[in-house]
Amino acid sequence: NAGVMQNPRHLVRRRGQEARLRCSPMKGHSHVYWYRQLPEEGLKFMVYLQKENIIDESGMPKERFSAEFPKEGPSILRIQQVVRGDSAAYFCASSPRQGDEQYFGPGTRLTVT
Amino acid sequence: AQSVTQLGSHVSVSEGALVLLRCNYSSSVPPYLFWYVQYPNQGLQLLLKYTTGATLVKGINGFEAEFKKSETSFHLTKPSAHMSDAAEYFCAVSGGGTASKLTFGTGTRLQVTL
Repeated sequence: NAGVMQNPRHLVRRRGQEARLRCSPMKGHSHVYWYRQLPEEGLKFMVYLQKENIIDESGMPKERFSAEFPKEGPSILRIQQVVRGDSAAYFCASSPRQGDEQYFGPGTRLTVT
Repeated sequence: AQSVTQLGSHVSVSEGALVLLRCNYSSSVPPYLFWYVQYPNQGLQLLLKYTTGATLVKGINGFEAEFKKSETSFHLTKPSAHMSDAAEYFCAVSGGGTASKLTFGTGTRLQVTL
């Protein structure tokens, strides 16, 4: 059973470009969570999605950030018009049911130049 | 609302010595508590978790933690450190039950010396 997959592992974008981060949950998991880790900090919750629904987006910045988890395909975290402050590691986690243990992917390290 | 405080951003121990990483939490509801380990440039791996029941929880790689409600603590221990334990350790809390999002501490970097 493959673990949580994230791609790309490393992403470099210039200021003003768009970044798309993908997360494929573990097989059988329909709940996906996105977290952001800034340098030298812990992980901060961003958004929790179930297939086709956003359940909790209380940690998402109000502008430029969006997330989706379509019926088919991976979950996507999209950052429009990136700025240097968006440089961070973005981790995705999945679980089979709400409240269950979360399994983390290896992360996507976004660098904005 | 939940919060986590990890005392000591860096801890250094000798190989074979006791490892003690401190975690205190705040939660308005009965918490679920977790310890995760992160190796450089990797994702997080769950070491152990407390949900309900026995307050002493055993995890992987010889680690254990004890939930102490009166002290709002969930400290992580290992009797004898190994070089391979060098990593970043994160304590996290969730609201339990159907609550889902994890609130993490800022992490403790464990260094193991010869």
